[in-house]
Formats: sequence, structure tokens, C-alpha cells
Amino acid sequence: RKEVEQDPGPFNVPEGATVAFNCTYSNSASQSFFWYRQDCRKEPKLLMSVYSSGNEDGRFTAQLNRASQYISLLIRDSKLSDSATYLCVVRFSGGYQKVTFGTGTKLQVIP
Amino acid sequence: GAVVSQHPSWVICKSGTSVKIECRSLDFQATTMFWYRQFPKQSLMLMATSNEGSKATYEQGVEKDKFLINHASLTLSTLTVTSAHPEDSSFYICSARVRGNRMVTEAFFGQGTRLTVV
Repeated sequence: RKEVEQDPGPFNVPEGATVAFNCTYSNSASQSFFWYRQDCRKEPKLLMSVYSSGNEDGRFTAQLNRASQYISLLIRDSKLSDSATYLCVVRFSGGYQKVTFGTGTKLQVIP
Repeated sequence: GAVVSQHPSWVICKSGTSVKIECRSLDFQATTMFWYRQFPKQSLMLMATSNEGSKATYEQGVEKDKFLINHASLTLSTLTVTSAHPEDSSFYICSARVRGNRMVTEAFFGQGTRLTVV
């Protein structure tokens, strides 16, 4: 089983739609969680951290469920500029705090 | 935010030659740098973790003699792909952690290097 798993998509949604991605992780010792966005042929950029209590940043809402070992990202009122690959990232405790990336979920927002 | 500069952004080389990729933290000291590789339509895969002044820790399946990592200072880490072959063609990207900040919530990435071996 992969350490971090995501549905690769693609998710094709119309502008204005709400879309949600899930990500599951296998290591219960996982410490921190993030969503990154990666545009084609570019480096990943931090979208938001994911806190246990859930957090929201504008149209984006992230949630963590430690019991079921998954995190989610909800995007409301999708914009064309939201089209990208969204990477789930998990950081494990101890050592060098190794960071593991999910395979990413591709989102295509359609006019 | 912190800036990590990676060079070159793209390189084409002949099979059998070596290529060096540099990763610099411009406005902070990076105790630890991470090197990733990303093949098309796949996720970033950690290759190695490099700490300033010590040997890099390589992930399983990554040949340390082929991918030489040097982290000689707190602001510079280099990855050298030795005797490159076409199957080494990939997107290589570095990431840096801020020195002394165990609670850092963000990994700062370089811009990536697209290597094509012909």
C-alpha cells in the first residue's frame, strides 16, 4: 500500500462548481499535512496546511480525519485558474521529518 | 517567503556525461535539503536527504554512486547525475527546510531542473 494515496483524476468540472479531493495516508505516526498545487512543468507551491480542527482559506477548505487517516480539500466556486494538479503531502515525525507526496489529483475547470 | 534558487532550469546532455544541478537558499540557512525526482504523470519521489556537512541519506532504490549529493554549506546543495542515461531524463527538484525551525510548516522548493539525456 502506498504511503499517501490520491485519486489521479482528472476531475473535469465547470466553472463555479464545487469539487472535493480526498487523500489517504497509511502511517498513523504522520505529523503534518498539506495541500500543494503544481502547475504543469512547474515546482509545487504550498496551497494550505491542514489542521486537525479544519481550516478555510477563501474558497478552499481543508479537513483532517486522523481516525480514518484521510485529508480532504474542497474548492468552491471553481475558477479556470484553479486548473492544476493538487498534491497531498504528509510529513512524518522523527528523523529529518521526511515529506511524502501523493501522486496528485488533476483538476481541469472548464468554461 | 523564503526563496530557493535552482539551476539550471533545463539541460540537455549526451548519454554518458555528468550533469550538476545546484540548489541555493537565498535568504535563509537550510540545514536540510531534499532532492526529488518526478517522472511524467507521476508524483515527486524523494531521492535523498542532505544535511550540511554530512553524507546524504538516500532512499531505497536510489544509487548513491550515480546521484552524488554535496551539501557543503548552509545555503548550497548540489546533485550530480553521473554517467547519465536516457532513463535518467526527468524533472529534478530540490526542497529546503529553514535552519532551527522544527515547526516549519512549509517546504520551500526550487524551480526544478528538467533533464533530458539524448
